[in-house]
Amino acid sequence: DIQMTQSPSSLSASIGDRVTITCRASKNIRTFLNWYQQRPGTAPKPLIHSASNLQSGVPSRFSGGGSGTDFTLTISSLQPEDFATYFCQQSFSSPYSFGQGTKVEIK
Amino acid sequence: QVQLQESGPGLVKPSQTLSLTCTVSGDSITFGSYYWSWLRQPAGKAMEWIGHIYSGGSTSFNPSLGSRVTISRDTSQNHFSLKLTSVTAADTAVYFCARVFGAVTYRLDVWGRGTLVTVSS
Repeated sequence: DIQMTQSPSSLSASIGDRVTITCRASKNIRTFLNWYQQRPGTAPKPLIHSASNLQSGVPSRFSGGGSGTDFTLTISSLQPEDFATYFCQQSFSSPYSFGQGTKVEIK
Repeated sequence: QVQLQESGPGLVKPSQTLSLTCTVSGDSITFGSYYWSWLRQPAGKAMEWIGHIYSGGSTSFNPSLGSRVTISRDTSQNHFSLKLTSVTAADTAVYFCARVFGAVTYRLDVWGRGTLVTVSS
């Protein structure tokens, strides 16, 4: 099975900050990597698919990159509604696995 | 607008069977090339994929759960269900249902809000 490791597990940032979250796969998954946002008590929201493709309706301040084993999610200018938990998911092979999440908190 | 809603008991006794239903509105679970999936998230841990049922009716499961898992559907009610047998405290989690778009990209594009299931006597 493919293991997904995210870092950091949490971070504190201010409105307007640039934030980068990293996701590492235990084997080469090419660009089969999706990102999600999860706010407490609400349904997870898809942000990016196939490593770098923005889901329809997602603000352009979100971007994804990487291939192989190392991937990033970047928020170029943090907004109040971005304080949430973000997690990655590999879609290269079943069983589909997830990172443990990165909680973005207000500094 | 597609919406998914999980329902079922919030408390299950050890060794019993956990049963949840995901009711879908705004889309048909038999139409198109979608997969309808179940996932769970224990407190403080990563999301875990449990399995899915395809619009055509075939199923696939996470081997880590062995033969304990069944996913079925009721097309007349437009819902799909999860059964997990012989539960233990390790099965305590928030359970989510989600629609999967794309067999290759396997992106979970619509999720339910999740329902907490606690396994305890």
